Amino acid sequence: QVQLQESGPGLVKPSETLSLTCTVSGGSISTYYWSWIRQPPGKGLEWIGYIYYSGSTNYNLSLKSRVTISVDTSKNQFSLKLTSVTAADTAVYYCARGSKWNDPDFDSWGQGTLVTVSS
Amino acid sequence: QSALTQPPSASGSPGQSVTISCTGTSSDVGSYNYVSWYQQHPGKAPKLMIYEVSKRPSGVPDRFSGSKSGNTASLTVSGLQAEDEADYYCSSYAGINNLGVFGGGTRLTVL
Repeated sequence: QVQLQESGPGLVKPSETLSLTCTVSGGSISTYYWSWIRQPPGKGLEWIGYIYYSGSTNYNLSLKSRVTISVDTSKNQFSLKLTSVTAADTAVYYCARGSKWNDPDFDSWGQGTLVTVSS
Repeated sequence: QSALTQPPSASGSPGQSVTISCTGTSSDVGSYNYVSWYQQHPGKAPKLMIYEVSKRPSGVPDRFSGSKSGNTASLTVSGLQAEDEADYYCSSYAGINNLGVFGGGTRLTVL
């Protein structure tokens, strides 16, 4: 059974870049679509974007200018970079696996990692 | 892309049935049979409960069922149990050029 694990700093300063990595184990990152989803404290889910193992990406329009998702198939990892962060980017960040283009149908999730934006 | 609309709360007594609605538009829920439902307990990651409107992943009890009519999808939980108390989110495909969308979530309380 595939497992996903997020890793990265839990505290980021305003205006800096948030960087997270998701390591996939128990299965290959090749095939499937790999997503980042976030959830501000006490709020709902927001799909940040995703990458296909081939490198094709699609991002949430509201974040597109600040987001980059990349994949490293040799390490079975994919990563998120979010630039120029503010307090509004404080959230639990999840990585997840999907099976179809643009479809928010995620059958496997990481446990999530809380990222706080604060000086 | 706008979020799907869910009621903020729902409740029912053990053994009863409860239905949670998820209203979208003709650009998402109304046009595609790609609606999913997630269950999220406090401090935990969401868990897929329903996909493609009414299909259950392996291991999800058949007390959970999904349906759709027009622009509104629904999740029904039958025979409510204490462990069903959680937040529930719907999501929908929104077309080849648009990222899919989530609903705002519904907190289900088992009385």
